[in-house]
Amino acid sequence: DADVTQTPRNRITKTGKRIMLECSQTKGHDRMYWYRQDPGLGLRLIYYSFDVKDINKGEISDGYSVSRQAQAKFSLSLESAIPNQTALYFCATSDQGTNEKLFFGSGTQLSVL
Amino acid sequence: AQSVTQPDIHITVSEGASLELRCNYSYGATPYLFWYVQSPGQGLQLLLKYFSGDTLVQGIKGFEAEFKRSQSSFNLRKPSVHWSDAAEYFCAVGPRSNDYKLSFGAGTTVTVRA
Repeated sequence: DADVTQTPRNRITKTGKRIMLECSQTKGHDRMYWYRQDPGLGLRLIYYSFDVKDINKGEISDGYSVSRQAQAKFSLSLESAIPNQTALYFCATSDQGTNEKLFFGSGTQLSVL
Repeated sequence: AQSVTQPDIHITVSEGASLELRCNYSYGATPYLFWYVQSPGQGLQLLLKYFSGDTLVQGIKGFEAEFKRSQSSFNLRKPSVHWSDAAEYFCAVGPRSNDYKLSFGAGTTVTVRA
């Protein structure tokens, strides 16, 4: 089983709909992140959380919200989806103690029509 | 403001040939530096990282990278490319603190021809 699991893998939705992307991890890491990937732009940080009670905006948080339900779960919501939120979304985790690498999920491809 | 530049959007290389991917960064101080690889349909995987010490770092899959402070560069190299190295490669930088957030470059797509 994957250490960082994202659901769904693919989602097509319509403009104005509310969407939730879910991420769960079995690595026991405190830190979790949401990134979006767009061609030619690389990965950009949407939100991050260093522990259950800590939520921080990244560089492109407008139009998004997050919930850290537990150490292992970090959800990303689009309250009212718009077409320019069509992208590949990645969840990642890291271990606070070692300042080590990020561990990524396999991504969620979201298309907003 | 911090930024990461990968000048090459796409590189095509023959199997067995050498590969070099460029990365330049703009940062207030020397950051932590990383290279990640993304195979088709997969998440990103860490290839190597530079925190301190020897400026030539070795990574997985036969990759290495050299940190050059004077050039603000962290170029990735592999002496002999295999077909399985076809992927997208991302350079990333992060602060030398516990405020652990990475900034990624736009990526370089590597195509390997037989």
